[in-house]
Amino acid sequence: GDSVTQMEGPVTLSEEAFLTINCTYTATGYPSLFWYVQYPGEGLQLLLKATKADDKGSNKGFEATYRKETTSFHLEKGSVQVSDSAVYFCALRDSSYKLIFGSGTRLLVRP
Amino acid sequence: DTAVSQTPKYLVTQMGNDKSIKCEQNLGHDTMYWYKQDSKKFLKIMFSYNNKELIINETVPNRFSPKSPDKAHLNLHINSLELGDSAVYFCASSQDRQVGGQYFGPGTRLTVT
Repeated sequence: GDSVTQMEGPVTLSEEAFLTINCTYTATGYPSLFWYVQYPGEGLQLLLKATKADDKGSNKGFEATYRKETTSFHLEKGSVQVSDSAVYFCALRDSSYKLIFGSGTRLLVRP
Repeated sequence: DTAVSQTPKYLVTQMGNDKSIKCEQNLGHDTMYWYKQDSKKFLKIMFSYNNKELIINETVPNRFSPKSPDKAHLNLHINSLELGDSAVYFCASSQDRQVGGQYFGPGTRLTVT
């Protein structure tokens, strides 16, 4: 079945550092891809999405590009802030419209 | 105004009890979902309803029964609770199941003792 693989965390960075969280997927067809963020004690929030190859999703300084050739959707941010500390989930929507999530990557940003 | 709300936020109960979790969305969405997040943060879909019709029913014990009285509400009833049911349960909604992202509620932390 379809699946999503994320890099294991935690990822610990200093404020203003560059962030990359890797995400690769296995799917039949061309699924839509998503990044969600979960702050402590809260539900998931949609961060960005891309629906077809070469689409770039962006929001709040975060970006991810749908790469069909490498089946990847890596999340990047040029300069992280302490407030970005959270758990980040990569997900795909499969052919039956279910969201399949990766295992999540915890990001800790230190001042 | 909270878009997707769940009650209760915390639920502590003993094995063998029956409990319900309620979910409401005020976004006018057609599709609603229940997810389970385990202690390692792994998220898995349990059920989905589209306009009060069950469209996704994953491999979940039949002790779990979703009910959708109208398209703005999706409740989850759990019979004969077991220790392994302890988790955070999230409700979510989307405009429809084909496009857009899903909007999640704040979660209900269920602890079975």
